[in-house]
Amino acid sequence: ELKVEQNPLFLSMQEGKNYTIYCNYSTTSDRLYWYRQDPGKSLESLFVLLSNGAVKQEGRLMASLDTKARLSTLHITAAVHDLSATYFCAVDSAASKLTFGTGTRLQVTL
Amino acid sequence: DVKVTQSSRYLVKRTGEKVFLECVQDMDHENMFWYRQDPGLGLRLIYFSYDVKMKEKGDIPEGYSVSREKKERFSLILESASTNQTSMYLCASSRWGNTDTQYFGPGTRLTVL
Repeated sequence: ELKVEQNPLFLSMQEGKNYTIYCNYSTTSDRLYWYRQDPGKSLESLFVLLSNGAVKQEGRLMASLDTKARLSTLHITAAVHDLSATYFCAVDSAASKLTFGTGTRLQVTL
Repeated sequence: DVKVTQSSRYLVKRTGEKVFLECVQDMDHENMFWYRQDPGLGLRLIYFSYDVKMKEKGDIPEGYSVSREKKERFSLILESASTNQTSMYLCASSRWGNTDTQYFGPGTRLTVL
């Protein structure tokens, strides 16, 4: 059974600082997805990583995938308040079926 | 833009009632999914469907059933609602194949009293 673990579960960071969210998974997969969820809202797709070594960047967020280590990272550069949200990683276990991590709640403070 | 809509944002039902949650997508996606989201547990897959009239159990199908009579519509049914089914329910859709992201609806917050 595929297990997906994120850490930290909660992250409070100051504006302007850098930090990384980690997503570990337990079985082989080369497809990993990152989503963002604002309070009271639904999930919004951020990144789709489809191969070992894949790196995607959008603004202050950069995601990477190491399939050998079964690890994906979401790096935040120079955080701003607008990035406050919950971030989920999800791993494709079989034929479009995703298993989600429990989420990382990010709070960016002034 | 892909649009996934759900019939209700908030729903309050009583224990034992039959509950229908509807989801409609407008992008001709083959795959559709129902999840529930609970604090500290992330999203858990209830059922999914790859095509009309097809359904597959997810990780937590007990107490739920689904129906997909048309490609654009996927319904989640709680045959006899119980308090432990109080949750946020999210519908999603994606294209056939496993390289596309899933697109989520706004969610239905269901409270069972």
